[in-house]
Amino acid sequence: AQSVTQLGSHVSVSEGALVLLRCNYSSSVPPYLFWYVQYPNQGLQLLLKYTSAATLVKGINGFEAEFKKSETSFHLTKPSAHMSDAAEYFCAVRAGEQGGSEKLVFGKGTKLTVNP
Amino acid sequence: NAGVTQTPKFQVLKTGQSMTLQCAQDMNHEYMSWYRQDPGMGLRLIHYSVGAGITDQGEVPNGYNVSRSTTEDFPLRLLSAAPSQTSVYFCASSSRGQRKTEAFFGQGTRLTVV
Repeated sequence: AQSVTQLGSHVSVSEGALVLLRCNYSSSVPPYLFWYVQYPNQGLQLLLKYTSAATLVKGINGFEAEFKKSETSFHLTKPSAHMSDAAEYFCAVRAGEQGGSEKLVFGKGTKLTVNP
Repeated sequence: NAGVTQTPKFQVLKTGQSMTLQCAQDMNHEYMSWYRQDPGMGLRLIHYSVGAGITDQGEVPNGYNVSRSTTEDFPLRLLSAAPSQTSVYFCASSSRGQRKTEAFFGQGTRLTVV
């Protein structure tokens, strides 16, 4: 079975500072990994995804994430935070093509606050 | 292209009432699912469907029913609403057999049970 742990339910950064949101996964088969963003009172929007093509994945709005198999991690980063990045971020995992459930399993989310 | 459409956006129910949350997608996706979102809990899977006529339970199915008579629609029924079902509900769809593709989400239904 797949599972996701997001370290830190709340992260606060200053505008212009580095954003680092942590995600560790557990999967018995090679996984596919996703980061979604949710702005207040909206649905979830895909930021980026890892599908085994490249370990460093670039997404929208300047975000990127690196898949590290040895650390079972898929941390989300952005070099310089903007006020508009304030939102809740969810990491999700799905088993790869080799087997397991195709369900998408989510972490509990990290709420990012950006201070002026 | 509408994507995933959920109705209603907001609903207040009294304990014991029943209602149906509607979900429709126009992307011809086989896989559809319902999640509930509660503070600090992330998104938890209620029910899912891999195609018309096929449904299965997720992590938190109690108190909810689903059916899938067409590829496009996947309604979620609350048979007898309880305050514990106060939540934000999201419907999602994705292509089956292509696990690398992302799930697309509706805008959510905010349900309050009093």
